[in-house]
Amino acid sequence: GAVVSQHPSWVICKSGTSVKIECRSLDFQATTMFWYRQFPKQSLMLMATSNEGSKATYEQGVEKDKFLINHASLTLSTLTVTSAHPEDSSFYICSARPSGRFSRNEQYFGPGTRLTVT
Amino acid sequence: AQSVTQLDSQVPVFEEAPVELRCNYSSSVSVYLFWYVQYPNQGLQLLLKYLSGSTLVKGINGFEAEFNKSQTSFHLRKPSVHISDTAEYFCAVSDIQGAQKLVFGQGTRLTINP
Repeated sequence: GAVVSQHPSWVICKSGTSVKIECRSLDFQATTMFWYRQFPKQSLMLMATSNEGSKATYEQGVEKDKFLINHASLTLSTLTVTSAHPEDSSFYICSARPSGRFSRNEQYFGPGTRLTVT
Repeated sequence: AQSVTQLDSQVPVFEEAPVELRCNYSSSVSVYLFWYVQYPNQGLQLLLKYLSGSTLVKGINGFEAEFNKSQTSFHLRKPSVHISDTAEYFCAVSDIQGAQKLVFGQGTRLTINP
């Protein structure tokens, strides 16, 4: 149980285009999902907290208009990288926290999406 | 705010030898503590977590960690490693209240040599 999927697993796009990444909790509901970015050989940096039915909360330094997050249902959050540039190339990982007060300390991670902008 | 320091960026170990990966944290409030493992081009898998209670926590794959509040440490140990343990290991903390966002350490690359 507690499986999180991401789609696509990897994507190559041209500079200036937009890319959408999906994060799904397959066997549980998640009121809160998180989006992370990981550069090669580095740690995960939290980009934003996605809350179902409300606006995402972005970390300091993350451009809201560039990284659009939508959490339209209890099992799906999407991250859209708008007008992508080569510096946006990275490994994007999402995690999902199961709904319910006894699950507050758990986050289950997706397998990640490798984005390469040419 | 919390911060996490993993003292070793790389740890090479021979197969069947014991290993300890060190983690220290800083926080002005009580925290939960976690260890995650990441295999190449994959997401993170939870190894173990400390929420409360016994300071010695046992996780999957034979790993364990000990919470030491006075030293603000949460070191990860395994008595005998296998080739398959080769991976990146991340220590993380979250506050108990509020959003419980995870703050990760820099990671430790564990390499098991035959």
